[in-house]
Amino acid sequence: SQQGEEDPQALSIQEGENATMNCSYKTSINNLQWYRQNSGRGLVHLILIRSNEREKHSGRLRVTLDTSKKSSSLLITASRAADTASYFCATPPQRGSEKLVFGKGTKLTVNP
Amino acid sequence: GAGVSQSPSNKVTEKGKDVELRCDPISGHTALYWYRQSLGQGLEFLIYFQGNSAPDKSGLPSDRFSAERTGGSVSTLTIQRTQQEDSAVYLCASIAPGREGLYEQFFGPGTRLTVL
Repeated sequence: SQQGEEDPQALSIQEGENATMNCSYKTSINNLQWYRQNSGRGLVHLILIRSNEREKHSGRLRVTLDTSKKSSSLLITASRAADTASYFCATPPQRGSEKLVFGKGTKLTVNP
Repeated sequence: GAGVSQSPSNKVTEKGKDVELRCDPISGHTALYWYRQSLGQGLEFLIYFQGNSAPDKSGLPSDRFSAERTGGSVSTLTIQRTQQEDSAVYLCASIAPGREGLYEQFFGPGTRLTVL
């Protein structure tokens, strides 16, 4: 069954607004990663958060992790049309595994 | 090269034909993954190579699918007797040698396979 599941499946906002995407997972993990995919091609790694971290920032991205609820959120602030893409969370299928299991993604559309 | 490369970028084939998809990982990366992504879906794990260890083939959907990794570098995914449901984007990713047990995957641009 799916390890990570993103919510919502699709999100449409106006340029300048913030976008929040959520991810829930099932097993104990040592890290959670977020990836971005443009136009159904290769994924690009955005950010990795360790299980002992609660929040991490990278530019306009803010990721939170709540291991007690087995959930994570990705916040994109001051969104731009170029942020339009699908965003995936990925977690190891079991703690310490170097494999990753990807969710189905959230499709974000930022309207100019 | 600077990143993971895959070829061809697009492949159209007829049902029943065999296809080979190629992945060139980043030099020095020890682990390589193949994924399949159907339209609007997430990534489906297919197979995983790590160094000289036996590959993890647990994700291959049928015996029509096979993969090799020669010399610890280039990998080829072969699909025999293709079916229309094989149509998807096939993505390859490689991983740098382990750092604190945390692994970021570097993806290639994918091969879009269309089976008519």
